[in-house]
Amino acid sequence: GAVVSQHPSRVICKSGTSVKIECRSLDFQATTMFWYRQFPKQSLMLMATSNEGSKATYEQGVEKDKFLINHASLTLSTLTVTSAHPEDSSFYICSAREAASEQFFGPGTRLTVL
Amino acid sequence: AQSVTQPDIHITVSEGASLELRCNYSYGATPYLFWYVQSPGQGLQLLLKYFSGDTLVQGIKGFEAEFKRSQSSFNLRKPSVHWSDAAEYFCAVGAGNSGYALNFGKGTSLLVTP
Repeated sequence: GAVVSQHPSRVICKSGTSVKIECRSLDFQATTMFWYRQFPKQSLMLMATSNEGSKATYEQGVEKDKFLINHASLTLSTLTVTSAHPEDSSFYICSAREAASEQFFGPGTRLTVL
Repeated sequence: AQSVTQPDIHITVSEGASLELRCNYSYGATPYLFWYVQSPGQGLQLLLKYFSGDTLVQGIKGFEAEFKRSQSSFNLRKPSVHWSDAAEYFCAVGAGNSGYALNFGKGTSLLVTP
């Protein structure tokens, strides 16, 4: 099956700093990528949908200026958490899909903001 | 709007016993339905999916699920559970017109006892 990687797998940062998370499709071209966040013992909540070369579509309640998403190529999307605060600590998971196919999920990134 | 309900937050079964995890969905058209498994600190692994056709779908690791339109259900089953099946299970529904962005249920935590 298709492989999606995320980097880093874990990151710890100080409050007020920015953190960038990368999501890569390793063996296919991802026309669409999705970003989810998951709080401990809770479900995944969709944050945004991004199509290559266009602006991301954010879900209601997700601040686009805080969670910057870039999908500059067919194999890479990045999520930047700007001015991170402890309440942003979460498990961030990306997924990617080619046109008309299922999503393939990355292994996730554990963000801890001190 | 789409929604997914997993009525059971926790389920405990004995190793070797049968398993059924419940999932109910709400969606106006024929949904795309998925079951994922997540081990602690890990990303999501797709167990099986239903798009159309045969309503009984077979997945990996001996799992199967049956789509019942009349009951708006997509329950996951396994005839004999192994200790390694202990994990969090998520049912998800997607729609083609949203690029398969997934709406997840809250998950069911499976504990397997000796």
